[in-house]
Amino acid sequence: GQNIDQPTEMTATEGAIVQINCTYQTSGFNGLFWYQQHAGEAPTFLSYNVLDGLEEKGRFSSFLSRSKGYSYLLLKELQMKDSASYLCAVTGGSYIPTFGRGTSLIVHP
Amino acid sequence: ETGVTQSPTHLIKTRGQQVTLRCSSQSGHNTVSWYQQALGQGPQFIFQYYREEENGRGNFPPRFSGLQFPNYSSELNVNALELDDSALYLCASSVVTGGKDEQFFGPGTRLTVL
Repeated sequence: GQNIDQPTEMTATEGAIVQINCTYQTSGFNGLFWYQQHAGEAPTFLSYNVLDGLEEKGRFSSFLSRSKGYSYLLLKELQMKDSASYLCAVTGGSYIPTFGRGTSLIVHP
Repeated sequence: ETGVTQSPTHLIKTRGQQVTLRCSSQSGHNTVSWYQQALGQGPQFIFQYYREEENGRGNFPPRFSGLQFPNYSSELNVNALELDDSALYLCASSVVTGGKDEQFFGPGTRLTVL
């Protein structure tokens, strides 16, 4: 089976940096995804990690440590529009992603 | 290139009824997955279809069934609706590459069971 754990809610200030952690236990590993989901909308793809290390894409970066079963999503220069739920999803041996329950990020002025 | 579309956007049913939800995949995608997302939860995998065959199934009872058509569009059918079936149902299409199978999600269908 697969188990994914991430914080339920985080708050941060506009312009700041926030790190959202995700820990996982899976049978097999074929990659970890981060998705952003605004309230009432579909999830949209942010990043994919399959090898250890940091992947940077603009204001967003994602890190993976396979030996620790750990990932984080780093958001820099926070904007109000970044207020959303951030979903960590892991693909195991079947390549079908298992999603965590999501971290609700609230960005305030 | 058109994205993933779903219909209807909202639906209200009563307990015991049956419902069919529809999804059109993104152009060029041969795989479709269906998810159930309850309020405040992450999407829960229902099943996946690849080239019209079921390619994996999550922990959902047999009253949840699906189809994928030759044009890769898909249906999710739910029989004998229960109150707990109230959720957002998401369809996601992808191209299976054995690795970075990025899922492109549709806007979802909000199902309310009374």
